[in-house]
Amino acid sequence: DIQMTQSPTSLSASVGDSVTITCRSSEYIGTYLNWYQQKLGKAPKLLIYSTSSLQNGVPSRFSGSGSGTDFSLVITSLQPEDFATYYCQQSYSPPRTFGQGTKVDFK
Amino acid sequence: QVQLQESGPGLVKPSQTLSLTCSVSGGSITKGGYYWSWIRQHPDKRLEWIGYIYHGGLTYYNPSLKSRVTMSMDTSKNEFSLHLRSVTATDTAVYYCARDISGPSDPWGRGAQVTVSS
Repeated sequence: DIQMTQSPTSLSASVGDSVTITCRSSEYIGTYLNWYQQKLGKAPKLLIYSTSSLQNGVPSRFSGSGSGTDFSLVITSLQPEDFATYYCQQSYSPPRTFGQGTKVDFK
Repeated sequence: QVQLQESGPGLVKPSQTLSLTCSVSGGSITKGGYYWSWIRQHPDKRLEWIGYIYHGGLTYYNPSLKSRVTMSMDTSKNEFSLHLRSVTATDTAVYYCARDISGPSDPWGRGAQVTVSS
């Protein structure tokens, strides 16, 4: 299986900050990398697919980049509703695998 | 707008079979291009992809669970199901169904907590 490693595992930030979460795959996955946001008690929600494509309705302050094995999610001007846990997922090769998650909380 | 909803027992005894159903509304599960997935989230919040089913019976199961998993579809009810045999405490998790759009999963159901305990 392809292993996905996110960093950091948690970070503290303030409203208005810009934050970056990175995700590294153990093998080449092209641009088959997706990002999800999960709020407490809710199901994960697709934010970005194919590395950089925003899902419908996702604010433009979210952006993704990368290719091969190294990827990043950037949230510019963090809003109160963005405090959540973020997961990356590879869909290059089954079984699909997820990173361990990055929790973004209030500083 | 497609919506998914999981249903099934919240408590399963060790060695028994965990069975969950996902009811889909707002779209047909026979529509081409969509796979229908099960994903679980362990108590430590780790997400584990269980597998998917495509109309016509095509399935892919995570090799780590393949020997214990069966998925099926009931097109007349527009729902699909998960059966996980010989469960142990490590199968305790929140189980989600989701639509797989050739890679990413969207949308997801609200999730069903399943606890394995005697």
